[in-house]
Amino acid sequence: KQEVTQIPAALSVPEGENLVLNCSFTDSAIYNLQWFRQDPGKGLTSLLLIQSSQREQTSGRLNASLDKSSGRSTLYIAASQPGDSATYLCAGGRGSQGNLIFGKGTKLSVKP
Amino acid sequence: KAGVTQTPRYLIKTRGQQVTLSCSPISGHRSVSWYQQTPGQGLQFLFEYFSETQRNKGNFPGRFSGRQFSNSRSEMNVSTLELGDSALYLCASSDWGDYGYTFGSGTRLTVV
Repeated sequence: KQEVTQIPAALSVPEGENLVLNCSFTDSAIYNLQWFRQDPGKGLTSLLLIQSSQREQTSGRLNASLDKSSGRSTLYIAASQPGDSATYLCAGGRGSQGNLIFGKGTKLSVKP
Repeated sequence: KAGVTQTPRYLIKTRGQQVTLSCSPISGHRSVSWYQQTPGQGLQFLFEYFSETQRNKGNFPGRFSGRQFSNSRSEMNVSTLELGDSALYLCASSDWGDYGYTFGSGTRLTVV
């Protein structure tokens, strides 16, 4: 059974810091890995998708990597800003099997 | 390109009633999946429909059901509501699992 774990559960940093969020999964057969952001009471906003043939994706200040052999993904946020405060979720996908397995998320707070 | 639209945004129902939630996917996307989010359990997969057929199902009781129409719009029904069904219900749209999922803003269901 696929399980996804995110560490830490919560993180508070001062503005400007670079930070890393971790995601580990038990099933190396995951097809792709997607990172989301969720603001309180809102839906999920997709940040980065690492497809099966990829190891890394970048968008602006965000960089996500995927290592299937070790069952890990990391989300790197450079020069954090208060607007980055949110819960970050990673989810493993099985491609055409049609569902994502989510971690419980990392709640990030960036202090001005 | 319009995003994933979920209606209604908020619902308050009484125990024992039934409820229907609606999800309109991104135009051209044939896959719609549904998730329940609660503070205790996080995001849990309910079911996924692809071209009007249920392709995958999570571990929820039979009170939870869904369907997909020929225009890919999907509905989710919960019968005999229980207090524990109070949650944020999210739907996700995908062209194909490899290309990631786009989520709607969710429907907040409160059962009293």
